Amino acid sequence: GAVVSQHPSWVICKSGTSVKIECRSLDFQATTMFWYRQFPKQSLMLMATSNEGSKATYEQGVEKDKFLINHASLTLSTLTVTSAHPEDSSFYICSARDGASPWETQYFGPGTRLLVL
Amino acid sequence: AQKVTQAQTEISVVEKEDVTLDCVYETRDTTYYLFWYKQPPSGELVFLIRRNSFDEQNEISGRYSWNFQKSTSSFNFTITASQVVDSAVYFCALRKGNNAGNMLTFGGGTRLMVKP
Repeated sequence: GAVVSQHPSWVICKSGTSVKIECRSLDFQATTMFWYRQFPKQSLMLMATSNEGSKATYEQGVEKDKFLINHASLTLSTLTVTSAHPEDSSFYICSARDGASPWETQYFGPGTRLLVL
Repeated sequence: AQKVTQAQTEISVVEKEDVTLDCVYETRDTTYYLFWYKQPPSGELVFLIRRNSFDEQNEISGRYSWNFQKSTSSFNFTITASQVVDSAVYFCALRKGNNAGNMLTFGGGTRLMVKP
């Protein structure tokens, strides 16, 4: 099946630094990618929907200046957490839509754990 | 508005027991899709099943089975003869329409612990 990778899988950073997370579709072209955030023992919350070549659509309550999303190509989307603070520590998961599949299935990446000290 | 409710936050069973995870959804759409995902401790979401709103046929895949009932807006998931490796968080999710560009609405998840 289709594979979505995320890099890095783990990141620890100091408060105030920016962190970039990459999401790649390895064997298909993803016109749409989604970014989710998951706090411990909670469900996934959609942060934003990213379409290739256009600006991301952010969900209510998500600061677009804080979480910069770039979907520069059909196989890569990046999420940059700017000036990270401890409350940004979370598990970030991306998913990518395979527009060529019959069901236009979304495939999930393995997630990135961010810890801000 | 769409909503997915998984009333069971945690379930603990002993290996070989059968267990059913409940999922109830709300939507005003006539066309929609329902999903189940497994999230093991590693964190990666594993796709288990997709069902569209026009197909109420129940499905069985090995030890897994799903019961979709539109009359009660439920899409329950049963694991037969549970195993320790089934321990994970299971999410039920809903997507409206037939455009995958529409977002997935996740339930709160059910943490299943299977003890040896």
